[in-house]
Amino acid sequence: ETGVTQTPRHLVMGMTNKKSLKCEQHLGHNAMYWYKQSAKKPLELMFVYSLEERVENNSVPSRFSPECPNSSHLFLHLHTLQPEDSALYLCASRERLAGDPYEQYFGPGTRLTVT
Amino acid sequence: DAKTTQPPSMDCAEGRAANLPCNHSTISGNEYVYWYRQIHSQGPQYIIHGLKNNETNEMASLIITEDRKSSTLILPHATLRDTAVYYCIVRVDGTYKYIFGTGTRLKVLA
Repeated sequence: ETGVTQTPRHLVMGMTNKKSLKCEQHLGHNAMYWYKQSAKKPLELMFVYSLEERVENNSVPSRFSPECPNSSHLFLHLHTLQPEDSALYLCASRERLAGDPYEQYFGPGTRLTVT
Repeated sequence: DAKTTQPPSMDCAEGRAANLPCNHSTISGNEYVYWYRQIHSQGPQYIIHGLKNNETNEMASLIITEDRKSSTLILPHATLRDTAVYYCIVRVDGTYKYIFGTGTRLKVLA
């Protein structure tokens, strides 16, 4: 256990559905991240939050909408997704955004399948 | 635009040391090297980090060359459970971003 939890662990949704992924960290960290990992591809950074403020939106389509209500929780709201959005979505947290050395702690991921 | 270069795959016999190399020739003087691993379909797991000196923890050892242009992660006695993709990453200059490349797929053989 890394102290970062993600729910649900698996999600199957149709292209017209709306769903949300949830991430919670119990480490007292100030920075949280969403990554996407498609099959046999490296992790792609999607969003970064620091102290509940979004500091990075890495050219992600608007059908992905992040929300960070407090420093312990991070959501990824999904709507009208495409089959190519099927991937493993990973949440991570870090003690603070800038500086070293602070490692990232990752959750187990949500395996998303868009049908 | 990954800043590190790793071999795509390696095999290691169970019980033997696994030595995973990484080139980071453009690393800046104050940038740390981090190593993570990802077991199939799970979240990446932090292993170790270093700046200049060699480091050791309960999981692995990290050897960094004197010029800091390369490093080697050593798993002293590899087990089947060490089969995973290993990532060597450094922070992108002046940012908080860590670029995960394609890593090294280590297969530990019985």
